Formats: sequence, C-alpha cells, structure tokens
Amino acid sequence: GAGVSQSPSNKVTEKGKDVELRCDPISGHTALYWYRQSLGQGLEFLIYFQGNSAPDKSGLPSDRFSAERTGGSVSTLTIQRTQQEDSAVYLCASSLTGLGTEAFFGQGTRLTVV
Amino acid sequence: QKEVEQNSGPLSVPEGAIASLNCTYSDRGSQSFFWYRQYSGKSPELIMSIYSNGDKEDGRFTAQLNKASQYVSLLIRDSQPSDSATYLCAVGPSGGGADGLTFGKGTHLIIQP
Repeated sequence: GAGVSQSPSNKVTEKGKDVELRCDPISGHTALYWYRQSLGQGLEFLIYFQGNSAPDKSGLPSDRFSAERTGGSVSTLTIQRTQQEDSAVYLCASSLTGLGTEAFFGQGTRLTVV
Repeated sequence: QKEVEQNSGPLSVPEGAIASLNCTYSDRGSQSFFWYRQYSGKSPELIMSIYSNGDKEDGRFTAQLNKASQYVSLLIRDSQPSDSATYLCAVGPSGGGADGLTFGKGTHLIIQP
C-alpha cells in the first residue's frame, strides 16, 4: 500500500479480554516500530522489528504484551488480559532499513479498555 | 540509555515570526535526525530529516545540526496558525547500529494570530 495501515482504527474492549492490533507497513520497508501514546503524553517505545526479528524488546511494559512479525511484513501486537491503564493510542511506523532511515507512521489504533 | 531532550513548552510565537525549536541528544555517534509534527488527535508526520552538520532548508522550515554540540534545531519562518502542533525530535542509531529511532517528548508550539 501507499502508506502504513493499522487496524482497527478504534477498539473498545472489556477489562480482562485479549486484543490484537495489526500493522501493515509500507511495501519493502524492513524495519517496523510500535509505540504507545497516552492522552497528552509523548511516544512510548514498545518494540522494534528488523525483518522478522525483534532486536529490541525493552519497551514492552509487561509480559501481557507480545508482538510478532511474519514474512517481514505484517505485524501484530497482542495485549492479553487488558487493563484500564492499557488505554492509549497504539502507533506503528515503518522505515526502509531501520538504520537511521526515515520512519513513517500509520494512523494509529485507539484502544479503550472499559 | 539513549536520550533525546526537548523543552515541552508551550512555546508561544506571534503569527509571522520565527519559531525556534531545540533538541539535544545523548548518543554522540548518532548519524540521522528527524523532525515530526503532530496535530492533536493525529499521528506524527515527518517534516524534515538531516544527516550532516549545518543547515537544511525546505520551504519555511530549516533544520540545523551541530554534532559536536549534540544539538539539532528546527526553525519555522513566517509562522502560521496552522503550524500550531507538537513537534517531535527523533534521533537515529549510531553508525552501524541496528536500533530504532529514539523520540523526544515533543515541544508544544502555539502560533498566536
């Protein structure tokens, strides 16, 4: 596609349920990033993929969070047993090589845990 | 731990004036630097990238990089109310590094009509 695509755009879930967020990067981009942004706050780094591997998992807030990327393309961020503090906008970005090249963001998924 | 520091603001600038946004970074080996603009409720949008010391101009925007001082700035000339947004500074990895981008927390810019 022309840009980074994220789905769903909005997700409302009940506390304790699992959710999956999807990111489809720009075609040919090998690097993919997940960030989280709470209302009025800065970007919180979650995880970075280079191809299918994740050299940097340091940002995942807890073991309820996991992410995978298959085929060097689509990535899924999974949050198990969601809590209210997980409510935020989850942003995905991709870049051509990840070695300091420009990153482009998707429109984000707004997650609300009720 | 790599750090990117920005003044959170708000920075208030009258319409038509020059807005100056600043950023410092901790990783002396970083090779790439970016400025993103984020409107409220929207995702960040890349507006400038700079890789070499000196100035890079694109329309009303000028990015300035000083690697010796570990300092990067963004100047917006003839500021317009539509420039009101949060501006995020991002820094790439050291040469040969495989890390991702590190973002500052952003500066909230307000252009007063």
